[in-house]
Amino acid sequence: GENVEQHPSTLSVQEGDSAVIKCTYSDSASNYFPWYKQELGKGPQLIIDIRSNVGEKKDQRIAVTLNKTAKHFSLHITETQPEDSAVYFCAASFPPYGGSQGNLIFGKGTKLSVKP
Amino acid sequence: DGGITQSPKYLFRKEGQNVTLSCEQNLNHDAMYWYRQDPGQGLRLIYYSQIVNDFQKGDIAEGYSVSREKKESFPLTVTSAQKNPTAFYLCASTLASGNEQFFGPGTRLTVL
Repeated sequence: GENVEQHPSTLSVQEGDSAVIKCTYSDSASNYFPWYKQELGKGPQLIIDIRSNVGEKKDQRIAVTLNKTAKHFSLHITETQPEDSAVYFCAASFPPYGGSQGNLIFGKGTKLSVKP
Repeated sequence: DGGITQSPKYLFRKEGQNVTLSCEQNLNHDAMYWYRQDPGQGLRLIYYSQIVNDFQKGDIAEGYSVSREKKESFPLTVTSAQKNPTAFYLCASTLASGNEQFFGPGTRLTVL
């Protein structure tokens, strides 16, 4: 079955440094890869996503890269700020057609701490 | 404002009691989901519904039940058969044709 591995589980960086979180997925049929940010006691918020027909996507200080051949994708945060501190989840989805319902399978999360 | 609401934010239950968690959305989304989140774990799918009056079990459905009588509402009942119900419960919704899931603020359930 579908599985998503996420590393590292915790990450501590100095303010202004870059942070990179990596995920691998098991099923080559996955075609949608969102990243969520979850602050303490709140629901996850979508911060960026990428589809399998794109290799890289950027939104200001956040970027996501996708390597379909290797079945891994990464989140890059540049110029980190204390307010970036949160838990980040990656996810992979099956396509919505065929036998799958298009559900998301989530990684176990990375707790990012940005030290001022 | 459009969005997903969950209530209550905190819920306490005695062992042996059933409790129902509310999830409402006004985004006109067809699909709705319930996830369970435990410390150090990802989000695990309990139940999902692609359309009114239809729902399917997720990976950890045992001890839970749902209904989908209205498009806007997808309540989750945690039954006494769920042996370890203390967790953070998240509801989400999405357009049937898309994959972006929007999450509610969550309900923290504690069994006393």
